[in-house]
Amino acid sequence: GAGVSQTPSNKVTEKGKYVELRCDPISGHTALYWYRQSLGQGPEFLIYFQGTGAADDSGLPNDRFFAVRPEGSVSTLKIQRTERGDSAVYLCASSLRARGSSGANVLTFGAGSRLTVL
Amino acid sequence: GNSVTQMEGPVTLSEEAFLTINCTYTATGYPSLFWYVQYPGEGLQLLLKATKADDKGSNKGFEATYRKETTSFHLEKGSVQVSDSAVYFCAPDYGGSQGNLIFGKGTKLSVKP
Repeated sequence: GAGVSQTPSNKVTEKGKYVELRCDPISGHTALYWYRQSLGQGPEFLIYFQGTGAADDSGLPNDRFFAVRPEGSVSTLKIQRTERGDSAVYLCASSLRARGSSGANVLTFGAGSRLTVL
Repeated sequence: GNSVTQMEGPVTLSEEAFLTINCTYTATGYPSLFWYVQYPGEGLQLLLKATKADDKGSNKGFEATYRKETTSFHLEKGSVQVSDSAVYFCAPDYGGSQGNLIFGKGTKLSVKP
């Protein structure tokens, strides 16, 4: 696609429920990132995929969070037993180059999925 | 770990005023440096970047120079417009095993006509 597409744009759920957020990166971009942006803060890194594998999941806050990218394109961020503190905008970004490549690695971000946990 | 500090907002300016938003980063390694912008209701967009010392990134009248000696990447614009109202994020990328793009807390700019 022309840009990074994220669905849903808004999700309201109740505490304890399971949530899935989807990211469709730019076609041909092998690198994919998830970030989380809380109100009034900058985005915080969650997880990085290179192809199908999660190359770095050090930013996931706990084991309730999990992400997959089974075919190396679309990715899904899964949150189990949601808590009110999970409320945030979840951002997905993709890049043509792998992390750590020489030169500037420019990320293209989606518009985000706003999650509200009541 | 690596970190970035940018000027806290909000910043309110009149149209055609001069803008500076300060940004300093941790001196570990040799990061690429970015400014991203988030316009109201839109996603994060790359504004400008620089990859080595003394490089100047520029776009839409904004400029920032990679200053290795002061570990800074301050954003400047000589004459702001109402349409520049947005949140600006400074973000070093240490790359490789040292991590990923690290964002500052953001500086909200409001430009009044």
